[in-house]
Amino acid sequence: DVKVTQSSRYLVKRTGEKVFLECVQDMDHENMFWYRQDPGLGLRLIYFSYDVKMKEKGDIPEGYSVSREKKERFSLILESASTNQTSMYLCASGLSGHEKLFFGSGTQLSVL
Amino acid sequence: SQQGEEDPQALSIQEGENATMNCSYKTSINNLQWYRQNSGRGLVHLILIRSNEREKHSGRLRVTLDTSKKSSSLLITASRAADTASYFCATDAKGGSEKLVFGKGTKLTVNP
Repeated sequence: DVKVTQSSRYLVKRTGEKVFLECVQDMDHENMFWYRQDPGLGLRLIYFSYDVKMKEKGDIPEGYSVSREKKERFSLILESASTNQTSMYLCASGLSGHEKLFFGSGTQLSVL
Repeated sequence: SQQGEEDPQALSIQEGENATMNCSYKTSINNLQWYRQNSGRGLVHLILIRSNEREKHSGRLRVTLDTSKKSSSLLITASRAADTASYFCATDAKGGSEKLVFGKGTKLTVNP
């Protein structure tokens, strides 16, 4: 079965901390995505990657960076966490562009 | 800006009834996808319909696409309590930026 695994289900961090959210897929997909989901705002694209060491900004990249050193792993980094980054973070991967994305279970991040 | 907008925002029905959710979008698209999200979990891809298709079926799901009205509908027949979830449409804009844009979702409750 296809699998996208996010390292943490729940995470609590302090303001100013550097936070790493890890995502691993086992489907040999080229494309990987990071979204955040907030009530009333839906899903918003933070960053995406179509290849190893490649990254593209989404709609809301400010305050975030990403790393893709290996095809199966796409990391989201919050350089200095702030309370407005409290959110559900969803990682996804896909084989063909944006068609049929497979999502991880999500990481609910709370920044205090 | 959001491309897809679902309607209604919330829908409550009895088991066995049909559920219809609608999605409207603003610009020309390559395809439109529907996803399901169980509470607090990741999204699951349900069905993709391309811009040159008018109707598609998958099990108890029926999706229609009307490109002249820039709208799509998702019909779930003979609903079950397990269908309780949020449903999102996502559009891949033609000639636009390379990303999938999600609507805010319809929250469906199926009462046993």
